Amino acid sequence: SQQGEEDPQALSIQEGENATMNCSYKTSINNLQWYRQNSGRGLVHLILIRSNEREKHSGRLRVTLDTSKKSSSLLITASRAADTASYFCATPPGGTSYGKLTFGQGTILTVHP
Amino acid sequence: GAVVSQHPSRVICKSGTSVKIECRSLDFQATTMFWYRQFPKKSLMLMATSNEGSKATYEQGVEKDKFLINHASLTLSTLTVTSAHPEDSSFYICSARESAVLQETQYFGPGTRLLVL
Repeated sequence: SQQGEEDPQALSIQEGENATMNCSYKTSINNLQWYRQNSGRGLVHLILIRSNEREKHSGRLRVTLDTSKKSSSLLITASRAADTASYFCATPPGGTSYGKLTFGQGTILTVHP
Repeated sequence: GAVVSQHPSRVICKSGTSVKIECRSLDFQATTMFWYRQFPKKSLMLMATSNEGSKATYEQGVEKDKFLINHASLTLSTLTVTSAHPEDSSFYICSARESAVLQETQYFGPGTRLLVL
């Protein structure tokens, strides 16, 4: 089964607006991680939220986790053109805190200046 | 911060040749590295888990004789695409987890773009 499905698949906004991306997963998790990928590049770790946390902030990023709904959201506030990238959620195997990651399908975010 | 490098960054080869991709952890030791494959505008799919000093663990559907993985040291894992064909063209990304700590996050390399003609 697909772990980590995200919506929207693509999001286009103007600079200064907020961007919200959602991720759903199917099995139990210990943590959920969000990564960013610029076109043709590797991944950069953004933020990790553990299963006992509901919300986490890092700069302009806000991540929420709802384990009852098996979903997470990533909010980027006051977006900038430089935020244009693909964003993926990822989870380690159920019940573990680290190890191989299963990635969601990703959201392609375009921020227009 | 921890850095993972990959070499080469891009490679073009003829069908039937073999291509080796290196993944190095530059400032930390990694007993475990992961190899992912990514098609254009798609997500990352785990191919295999590379374990230092032992055989790699391959995901279902990944041919181990096609994608040879060697993890000979704590800082280097290699992926060799043997007898490459055009359908092997893809973006290959490795990641590594620092051995010394039970770290939850992974560090990713910049990726290698393979084009098989």
